[in-house]
Amino acid sequence: DTAVSQTPKYLVTQMGNDKSIKCEQNLGHDTMYWYKQDSKKFLKIMFSYNNKELIINETVPNRFSPKSPDKAHLNLHINSLELGDSAVYFCASRGIGWGKQETQYFGPGTRLLVL
Amino acid sequence: DQQVKQNSPSLSVQEGRISILNCDYTNSMFDYFLWYKKYPAEGPTFLISISSIKDKNEDGRFTVFLNKSAKHLSLHIVPSQPGDSAVYFCAASASGNTPLVFGKGTRLSVIA
Repeated sequence: DTAVSQTPKYLVTQMGNDKSIKCEQNLGHDTMYWYKQDSKKFLKIMFSYNNKELIINETVPNRFSPKSPDKAHLNLHINSLELGDSAVYFCASRGIGWGKQETQYFGPGTRLLVL
Repeated sequence: DQQVKQNSPSLSVQEGRISILNCDYTNSMFDYFLWYKKYPAEGPTFLISISSIKDKNEDGRFTVFLNKSAKHLSLHIVPSQPGDSAVYFCAASASGNTPLVFGKGTRLSVIA
């Protein structure tokens, strides 16, 4: 059983296009995240949603818009893609319970290449 | 400004020996620390964590040590196995619904 899944795994597209990445978790978690791993391999938080509400929005261009239809899903829509958007995007959800409240579980990543 | 630093980009260890991966942090508000393991083309996988109220946590071959005064933690793997070869990320968070802050990772190679 896949705990956190993302689609697609690979995405190659042209500059200027609009694309979406989907994320689903079957862990029953309330909090979900989007991270970006850039060419320097840093994993940086982009957004955090708790129970369908946006709670963290780091300095991310407003071309990126997360959408949470329910607490098991957090999708990422990107408008007017730019070359610098090429990266690996990871979705994650947060564990609950004492001692696990900060543990996050990651999806396999979506490798986005903008040409 | 890197709040979580892994100063060794890579580490090579012989099978059966101990692997020690180090991590330093600067934010004194961090009170929960985690290690993640990442294979190529996969997402990071949670390995082990430690709360700031402890100085050691052990899980099988993996032990994490926390030195709060030095703002330093380390992950010990003993004995190291070839399947441990991966990139290891150190991460930290403060209490409450705060995101994880990751280090840049250390690539561990365990040589048979």
